[in-house]
Amino acid sequence: EAAVTQSPRNKVTVTGGNVTLSCRQTNSHNYMYWYRQDTGHGLRLIHYSYGAGNLQIGDVPDGYKATRTTQEDFFLLLELASPSQTSLYFCASSDAGGRAEQFFGPGTRLTVL
Amino acid sequence: GDSVTQKEGLVTLTEGLPVMLNCTYQTIYSNAFLFWYVHYLNESPRLLLKSSTDNKRTEHQGFHATLHKSSSSFHLQKSSAQLSDSALYYCALGSSGNKLIFGIGTLLSVKP
Repeated sequence: EAAVTQSPRNKVTVTGGNVTLSCRQTNSHNYMYWYRQDTGHGLRLIHYSYGAGNLQIGDVPDGYKATRTTQEDFFLLLELASPSQTSLYFCASSDAGGRAEQFFGPGTRLTVL
Repeated sequence: GDSVTQKEGLVTLTEGLPVMLNCTYQTIYSNAFLFWYVHYLNESPRLLLKSSTDNKRTEHQGFHATLHKSSSSFHLQKSSAQLSDSALYYCALGSSGNKLIFGIGTLLSVKP
């Protein structure tokens, strides 16, 4: 049974559109992360959180908001989507920050037209 | 700041030949953790190897790596490449913070 799930798996929107990507983990982990994956750039951290209500800014946060509503749920919000945000988005969870294994979800492919 | 360098974006090998994917890192923290993640097409990235111990060989699923703090390196090796090893490989660094710093990844393509 998958411990990190993401929805939707695929999303197409238009420039200026509003998009919410969802992530749920059942690992009972404190840390959750949002990454984008792009050829030539690898995995880049957008935002992360170490508990409900907590939010930390990652390395490429511009144009993204995030919210951690519970220990299980972490959302990524694109309020005015742009074509540069077309990417494959991964959510991950971990029980000990940068010292422990991160468990990744299946990814969401977002296309902004 | 912390960084990870994977110089090869693409490595193409013939099946049966040895694999070596390079990873070097920069950090001021002496107790860094280094990771290799593997990402197969249409799957999620997952952990392959992890180490924080200097000069100790770590092995998993036929792959091995040794953390060398003196040269800030954590190269991934395998004695004989298989077709099924074709994937994207990420080296990652965990140091003082609560996040990992990933390299840009090396795509390994193994041909018959």
